[in-house]
Amino acid sequence: NAGVTQTPKFQVLKTGQSMTLQCAQDMNHEYMSWYRQDPGMGLRLIHYSVGAGITDQGEVPNGYNVSRSTTEDFPLRLLSAAPSQTSVYFCASSLGTEQYFGPGTRLTVT
Amino acid sequence: GNSVTQMEGPVTLSEEAFLTINCTYTATGYPSLFWYVQYPGEGLQLLLKATKADDKGSNKGFEATYRKETTSFHLEKGSVQVSDSAVYFCALREAGNNRKLIWGLGTSLAVNP
Repeated sequence: NAGVTQTPKFQVLKTGQSMTLQCAQDMNHEYMSWYRQDPGMGLRLIHYSVGAGITDQGEVPNGYNVSRSTTEDFPLRLLSAAPSQTSVYFCASSLGTEQYFGPGTRLTVT
Repeated sequence: GNSVTQMEGPVTLSEEAFLTINCTYTATGYPSLFWYVQYPGEGLQLLLKATKADDKGSNKGFEATYRKETTSFHLEKGSVQVSDSAVYFCALREAGNNRKLIWGLGTSLAVNP
C-alpha cells in the first residue's frame, strides 16, 4: 500500500494562475479531506468527502473546488491563486477513527 | 461550539527529561480524543487515541488519559529522546458518526542531546 499520495511536493504560482493539487489513496477509504496548515493557525479544513460523488465544505472553502469521481482520488483545485493561499496543503483519508495523511504540498503564490 | 486548546510552544527539553503537553477540550457528549505527531517535513500520523472516559491511550512511550471530569487529555512521556522532536496536535472527534476532527493549534517540541 502506498497510503495517501500527493503531488506535487512543491509548487510556485503567480497570482491569478490556476492549478490542481492531486491526492490519491489506495486503502479504499470512504472519507477524504483537504486541510491547509499555516503557522500559528493549526490545521484548517477546506473541503471533505464522505464518498464518491459527495463533497462538502469545511471551514475555509473559498477559492477552492473539489470533486470526487472515484473512491481513490480527491483533487483540490485553486481557481485563481492569491498570495493568501500560500500554505502547506495536506490530504487525508479515513475509514474508521484514524485519519491517514499524505506528505503535503508546499504552495507559494507570488 | 466544540474546541481544543493545547499549551503553546515551543517546548525545549533535554534528552531523558519528562514531557507533558497539556490539552483541554470543550465538547458535548463523549467525544473521541487523539494525539497526532508531525515530524519535520512530513504529514501527520496518529500517535494515540482514547474513545471513552478514563481510557488511556499509549504508543512509543507516550501516554494520555481521557479525563471527563477535567475535560483534559494531556500527553506525557517519561524520558524524551532527540527523535521525539516534532509538532504534536491534540484533536477531538464529536460523538456520533461525524468523521471530522477538531484540531488544537499544535505544540512544537525540540529535544536537545
